[in-house]
Amino acid sequence: AQKVTQAQTEISVVEKEDVTLDCVYETRDTTYYLFWYKQPPSGELVFLIRRNSFDEQNEISGRYSWNFQKSTSSFNFTITASQVVDSAVYFCALSEEKNAGKSTFGDGTTLTVKP
Amino acid sequence: EAGVAQSPRYKIIEKRQSVAFWCNPISGHATLYWYQQILGQGPKLLIQFQNNGVVDDSQLPKDRFSAERLKGVDSTLKIQPAKLEDSAVYLCASSSMGHANTEAFFGQGTRLTVV
Repeated sequence: AQKVTQAQTEISVVEKEDVTLDCVYETRDTTYYLFWYKQPPSGELVFLIRRNSFDEQNEISGRYSWNFQKSTSSFNFTITASQVVDSAVYFCALSEEKNAGKSTFGDGTTLTVKP
Repeated sequence: EAGVAQSPRYKIIEKRQSVAFWCNPISGHATLYWYQQILGQGPKLLIQFQNNGVVDDSQLPKDRFSAERLKGVDSTLKIQPAKLEDSAVYLCASSSMGHANTEAFFGQGTRLTVV
């Protein structure tokens, strides 16, 4: 069975600090995909990134970066020089190839960036 | 490109009453999902449609919940009769294909309060 754990329920930082959101997953499938979504106060989840199980390259997109390590079953998300607009709930999700389209979400990390 | 539309945004009902939610996915998206998001938790998949056929409804409480997607476009989710524990945000999402590597696009959700 697939499972996603986001141990950090809430994180609070001051603007311009760097912050890392942790995600640990469990799966028995060899082919799977990991996602990060952002949920601002308006409610809709916004897709940020997707990684497949065969690609452990880290990725950077502006102030965002993602570190995927199969050895520790982790897919962590770092925001560099955080801004107030980064305040939101962030979800990590896992989809197994054999369960096409069915994503399992973690319980999310609420990030508050204070000015 | 228009996003996923949901209505209503908010609904308050008494227990044992019935309620219906509506979703209009992104044009051309074959796959439609309904998720339940209880406060403080991640979204949990209730049902997945591929065009107008059901792909997965294993977590849908079928004694009280029903969903349909007529003509493979719009969808409605109904709860009858509602219970207190149904209080949650109901999110509709769509994707171009129901594959594990495809990200979903979410609507803003309907916040249901059962009193």
